[in-house]
Amino acid sequence: DGGITQSPKYLFRKEGQNVTLSCEQNLNHDAMYWYRQDPGQGLRLIYYSQIVNDFQKGDIAEGYSVSREKKESFPLTVTSAQKNPTAFYLCASSISRGDEKLFFGSGTQLSVL
Amino acid sequence: GEDVEQSLFLSVREGDSSVINCTYTDSSSTYLYWYKQEPGAGLQLLTYIFSNMDMKQDQRLTVLLNKKDKHLSLRIADTQTGDSAIYFCAENGTGTASKLTFGTGTRLQVTL
Repeated sequence: DGGITQSPKYLFRKEGQNVTLSCEQNLNHDAMYWYRQDPGQGLRLIYYSQIVNDFQKGDIAEGYSVSREKKESFPLTVTSAQKNPTAFYLCASSISRGDEKLFFGSGTQLSVL
Repeated sequence: GEDVEQSLFLSVREGDSSVINCTYTDSSSTYLYWYKQEPGAGLQLLTYIFSNMDMKQDQRLTVLLNKKDKHLSLRIADTQTGDSAIYFCAENGTGTASKLTFGTGTRLQVTL
C-alpha cells in the first residue's frame, strides 16, 4: 500500500540534544512538507521541498533543519536551538508543486525530558 | 497575513446534521479545503471547493462557500460516532505553491 510513514511515533529529547524525525513516502510525490501542531492551534509550516535537493523555509523554520537527498525521504532535525520543541509533528506530501491535496503521515509526538 | 478562524468545539447527537464553520481573510484564495484528523493520527483530505463555486456535495458532505463574506462551512448529514474528530479548514491564500493556511480546527463530538 502506498503512503507516508513517520517514525518514531513518540520521541523524547533531552536538553541540548538534536533529534531527527523520519518521514518516508512511496507515493512517488515530488513535494514534501513538515508541519508542527500545538494543542488548540492550527498547523504551522516548518519547511517544504518541491523537488529533490531543494527545500524552502516555512513560517517557523528557526531551530529546525531538513534535507532532501532522495525523493522518498524528508527527515526533520529539531536542533537544540529550538527552545520549545514539544509538539506533534506531521509530515505530508503532494503530487507536485502547486498541488495542495496533501497526504499526511500519522505524526510524531516530541516531548522534552 | 492570512488568517483562518474556526470555533473550537461542536457537540451533536448521532443522526443529526453537523455544521462546522470557518472564516478566512485572504480574498485571493483559489481553493478551500476541509481536512479531518482522528485522535493521534495525521490529517485526511475530506473535500475541497474551487473559489468560483458556491456549493459542492459529496455523499453526506456539503460544502458551502460565501466568497463575499469569506465564509466556508461543512455540513455532515446523519452524523455518526465515526465522524468524531477534529476538522480543519485551509486556504491557499496567495496561491504560492502549497502554502496552505490552516484554521485552528473544530473538535466534533458525537453523542448517542
